[in-house]
Amino acid sequence: GEDVEQSLFLSVREGDSSVINCTYTDSSSTYLYWYKQEPGAGLQLLTYIFSNMDMKQDQRLTVLLNKKDKHLSLRIADTQTGDSAIYFCAESLYNTDKLIFGTGTRLQVFP
Amino acid sequence: DAGVIQSPRHEVTEMGQEVTLRCKPISGHDYLFWYRQTMMRGLELLIYFNNNVPIDDSGMPEDRFSAKMPNASFSTLKIQPSEPRDSAVYFCASTRNLQQSTDTQYFGPGTRLTVL
Repeated sequence: GEDVEQSLFLSVREGDSSVINCTYTDSSSTYLYWYKQEPGAGLQLLTYIFSNMDMKQDQRLTVLLNKKDKHLSLRIADTQTGDSAIYFCAESLYNTDKLIFGTGTRLQVFP
Repeated sequence: DAGVIQSPRHEVTEMGQEVTLRCKPISGHDYLFWYRQTMMRGLELLIYFNNNVPIDDSGMPEDRFSAKMPNASFSTLKIQPSEPRDSAVYFCASTRNLQQSTDTQYFGPGTRLTVL
């Protein structure tokens, strides 16, 4: 079945890099996404990667995909207090209309 | 575009009462999704529609929950009767086509439901 897992919490110092990890079980995923949820708000798409790519960089964000291990990571360089939020990874499966979301990782950035 | 609009933003009700949550998707989006978010279960997909037709309602918890989409610009999620365990944040999301990478789901701000 489909399952997407993340660690629940991550705490980093301002200016350091953050790495949020995600593992998934279904190998038929086509796209993988990272969403950010700020307090009291809905989820907002941060970035995505196609399943045949290994890496994607977008300003401070770097997404790494290890398809063999079914492991996805999001690296945030120079983490700021405004990056404090819950981060969800999600996968879209081939020939379905649904996204499968992970449990979310709460990132806390302290000064 | 104003994005996905949900109302009300907050709802407090008593057990046994009927609750109706509303959603207006982004214009031109063919898919509409209802999610529920709790601390215990995370983000759960309840039901989704394509072109106003319910496609998958396997996530709807029980018969107390029902959802409709009478037209392309409006959907409701109804809970009748409500129970304290229904307390959660309910999100609506819409998208044009999930198979296109850039057409991912756009979420509304959510409705925080508290059932006393």
